Parts: sequence; C-alpha cells; structure tokens
Amino acid sequence: EVYLVESGGGLVQPGGSLRLSCAASDFTFSTYTMNWVRQAPGKGLEWVSSIRNNGHETFYADSVKGRFTVSRDNSRNTLLLQMYSLRAEDTAVYFCAKGGWRGDFFDFWGQGTVVAVSS
Amino acid sequence: DIVMTQSPDSLLVSLGERATINCKSSQTILYRSNKKNYLAWYQQKPGQPPKLLISWASTRESGVPDRFSGSGSGTDFTLTISSLQAEDVAVYYCQQYYYFPYTFGQGTRLEIK
Repeated sequence: EVYLVESGGGLVQPGGSLRLSCAASDFTFSTYTMNWVRQAPGKGLEWVSSIRNNGHETFYADSVKGRFTVSRDNSRNTLLLQMYSLRAEDTAVYFCAKGGWRGDFFDFWGQGTVVAVSS
Repeated sequence: DIVMTQSPDSLLVSLGERATINCKSSQTILYRSNKKNYLAWYQQKPGQPPKLLISWASTRESGVPDRFSGSGSGTDFTLTISSLQAEDVAVYYCQQYYYFPYTFGQGTRLEIK
C-alpha cells in the first residue's frame, strides 16, 4: 500500500510564504514522477506542478509559475512545494499524488493539506 | 492548453441503472506512435482525495469493480457504470496527461434518483 502524507498547510496572509511537504512510503519513491494537485473550496481539480524522478525536470501551471518551486529529496522519500507570494486564489486543499508507471496519471493520492490565504 | 469538457455537469440515475459520463478534449490525446489515449478517470467522494479508476482511456485499475469501464479515442471519451450502486455516488473527473499543463474536466456529480 502506497502512503502519501502531506503537511505544512495553514493560514497565511497575502504575499506570504509556505512550504508543503509530502512524506512517501511503501514504494520506490526515486522511480516515479511526483505531483501536486489542488482543489479550491467547492471547486474542481487543478494540476499545480510535477517533478520527474531524478528531480531534473520540473513543470508548473501558469497560475503558479515563478511563485512556486517543487523539489524532492529521494534519500528521504519527500516531495516539497515552496510557495511564495501567496494570493487569495491559492486557497485550496493541496494533494500530493504519485505518478503512474510510464504515464502521468495520478495513481495514488494523499489526504491533502489545507492552505488558506487571507488577511 | 488542452481543454477538457465533461457532460453532463450532474447526473441522476436509479440504482441498478446505467450511468454514462462524457469527456471531450479540445485536441486529440491519442499518441499515434503507441496508439494510446492519454486519458484518466477519477472518482472523488466527499471529504476524500480522488481515486484513480481508469488510465489509458480504458485500463481499469486493480481493485476497481468491473461495472466501471472507459471507452473512446482521439477527442471523445466515455466513463460507463453499468449498474449503479449506492457507493458510486461521487464526483467524476477526466484528466489528460498528453502534455503539460495537465488538465481536468470540470467534474460530473453523480447522484441516485
């Protein structure tokens, strides 16, 4: 059974920063692309960012490009999302999701961590 | 960007009846070299993360009941639940992973009639 546990969410003022973490276990973390997907309150799913298994390739949604940075530590089976210049529209549940084998679907998801941006 | 459009937005179906959800992509997501459609379907129940049901448009994930099936190719896809059960009440999303940015449909809310 794959386990993904997000942490680091919270309430932050507009313009502030947060760092999300995702602890992974029970699979070979270094083999898979990892992803962040978010869901604003009462809304649908929005892909945020992906990072390839070796950490050398990263991808971002236009809505977060230049403000968010994804990284990973394969020695600690951890995925990170550093978020800067947060806006009210970044308020959402942030899910960590494991990429599939040979395809960028999301085959396992964490429970999510809540980020609320408000003054 | 590839726009994914689902229909309908909501669906009322009686227990035991068939439920059909459609998903249309704004451009093809069929990769000709391997003849694979880069489309996934997810189920999300209230308060839970999404769950992958189907990848490659029609490959059911391990443990997913066989009443769930996916079909279609190119730009038009369908998720079918052959005989609706009470536990199938959820929001269903399609997603393309053909190229970045990956995009989801807006979701279809499925309820019992």
